[in-house]
Amino acid sequence: AQSVTQPDIHITVSEGASLELRCNYSYGATPYLFWYVQSPGQGLQLLLKYFSGDTLVQGIKGFEAEFKRSQSSFNLRKPSVHWSDAAEYFCAVGLLTTSGTYKYIFGTGTRLKVLA
Amino acid sequence: EAQVTQNPRYLITVTGKKLTVTCSQNMNHEYMSWYRQDPGLGLRQIYYSMNVEVTDKGDVPEGYKVSRKEKRNFPLILESPSPNQTSLYFCASSSLRDSYLVEYFGPGTRLTVT
Repeated sequence: AQSVTQPDIHITVSEGASLELRCNYSYGATPYLFWYVQSPGQGLQLLLKYFSGDTLVQGIKGFEAEFKRSQSSFNLRKPSVHWSDAAEYFCAVGLLTTSGTYKYIFGTGTRLKVLA
Repeated sequence: EAQVTQNPRYLITVTGKKLTVTCSQNMNHEYMSWYRQDPGLGLRQIYYSMNVEVTDKGDVPEGYKVSRKEKRNFPLILESPSPNQTSLYFCASSSLRDSYLVEYFGPGTRLTVT
């Protein structure tokens, strides 16, 4: 069955440190890949997206993600975390179903805490 | 302004009292969907619609109904709400002409069923 796994429920980093959030998916082909961020009490904001082309994708707020087909991964990175990055991060895939429709599957999220 | 709107934003109701959460988008998107968000479970797709009069079950459709009579609207109906449907609900839309199929989310509706 198709699935998205974010193995880290919580991550704590110090401000200025680097960050990597992991995401793995299970799907027979390359899906549409997304990272969203949700600040407390807020909706979801798209950070970046990937479907094809360069496997290193730049997004907003200084985030980037790298698609690795061999590992079915789409990890999110940021070289230097800011206190305002504290939020919950969701990895998601969009995929074509056997009936020809599209559906989306989200990971369970990683909550990021930033220490001053 | 391009947006997805949901109403109401907050709702407290009692078990068994039918309710409807409305969703509307002004981007002429073909695709619309509903999610529920629960702690530790992320977002789970309830129903989605590829276009007018075309709807499909997502991963957690039990207890919900939807309709897509117009392209811009996709209401979520709870015929007989139960406490386990207490959750944060998001509506989203995307264009099937977009090469990335990015979903745009509404602000969310927090539902409490007592």
